[in-house]
Parts: sequence; C-alpha cells; structure tokens
Amino acid sequence: DVKVTQSSRYLVKRTGEKVFLECVQDMDHENMFWYRQDPGLGLRLIYFSYDVKMKEKGDIPEGYSVSREKKERFSLILESASTNQTSMYLCASSLTGLPYTQYFGPGTRLTVL
Amino acid sequence: SQQGEEDPQALSIQEGENATMNCSYKTSINNLQWYRQNSGRGLVHLILIRSNEREKHSGRLRVTLDTSKKSSSLLITASRAADTASYFCASVLNRDDKIIFGKGTRLHILP
Repeated sequence: DVKVTQSSRYLVKRTGEKVFLECVQDMDHENMFWYRQDPGLGLRLIYFSYDVKMKEKGDIPEGYSVSREKKERFSLILESASTNQTSMYLCASSLTGLPYTQYFGPGTRLTVL
Repeated sequence: SQQGEEDPQALSIQEGENATMNCSYKTSINNLQWYRQNSGRGLVHLILIRSNEREKHSGRLRVTLDTSKKSSSLLITASRAADTASYFCASVLNRDDKIIFGKGTRLHILP
C-alpha cells in the first residue's frame, strides 16, 4: 500500500514564525502536492511538483514556498506565518500519467496564533 | 459553479438505508474519482470511472457517469455507521490532466 506521512498531526505556531511541513511518500511517485482545506472552501492546491527540484504554483501559492530535494520528500514552507494560514494542510502523491489517482497523508492541522 | 461540485452539501440517513451523492462538472474529463475523508484525516481514494464508462461497482459502492449531463453519482448501499464521512468527487480534465476536487458532501449515518 502507498504510504504518505506528514511530520506532524497538530502544530501551533506564532505569527511571524517560519514553519516547515514535511511530507514523505514511499511508493516512488513522481508527483507530489500540497493542499489546504478550509470549511466551505474544499481543497485548494498550493503547490505541486512533478520531479525532483521541480515545482509549479497551484491556485493559492502566496505566502508559501516548497522544496523537493529528494523524490520521496516534499516540504511546504510558510516563510512568515500569519493567522490566515491557520488551516488543515494535506499532502498527496501520484504517479505520472493518467488516471492521476492521488494518495493522501493524514493531514497537519496548523494553528497560527 | 465550480468544476466538481457535490450535491447535497450534507446528508443524514438511517443506518441500513442507501445514500446517494451527486457531482457536477463543467469541462471535458478523462476520468472522475470519488474520495472519502473521515473527520480530521486525509482523503482516501474509493473508486474511479473513466469517461467512456457509464457505471462501476465496488462492494457497496456504485458510481454512474453521464457525460452528456456532465454529472456523476455515488451510491452507497446498506449504509453503516462507519460510512459517516465527507465524500469528494475529483475530475481529471482532458485539457491539461489537472485534477479538481469538489467541496464535498458530509454524510452522517444515524444509528
């Protein structure tokens, strides 16, 4: 079974802090994704990566950056956390090519005070 | 409306009844997928239907696709308490292979 793990289930940070969210997948998937999920807004794509050191902006990249130094690891970085970044963050991975079935991690619930 | 919108937003039914959720999309798709999310957890892939298919079954799940109406439905038969979750449709677009998630249907199974 594909396993996607995220470094923390719950995280509390202060405004202005730099925050790192880590995601690791063990199935040699080329594609990795970061979403945030908010009530009433569904899943919104922040960034995705289709290869090591490659990244593409999603729908809401502002305030975020990403890093993919190794195929299995995709990090989301909040350079200076703000209260409006309080959310559930979901990482996912998929193989390249159709049908693009995604495998999700358990999520990180981030609270920024 | 957005690509991949579920209807209804929330649904409560008695255990043992069937639950039906609908999804509409706007642009041409390669396939449509359904996912489940238990409270506070990640999404889990349930079933996929390709654009040239009309119906698929997997256990108690039945998915239909009507490309002329740009809609899909997910039927869960003989519902159980463990089916309580949010259900999302995700459409994979033909034009750029992008996957778009809807906002989900919250299903609550009453004992």
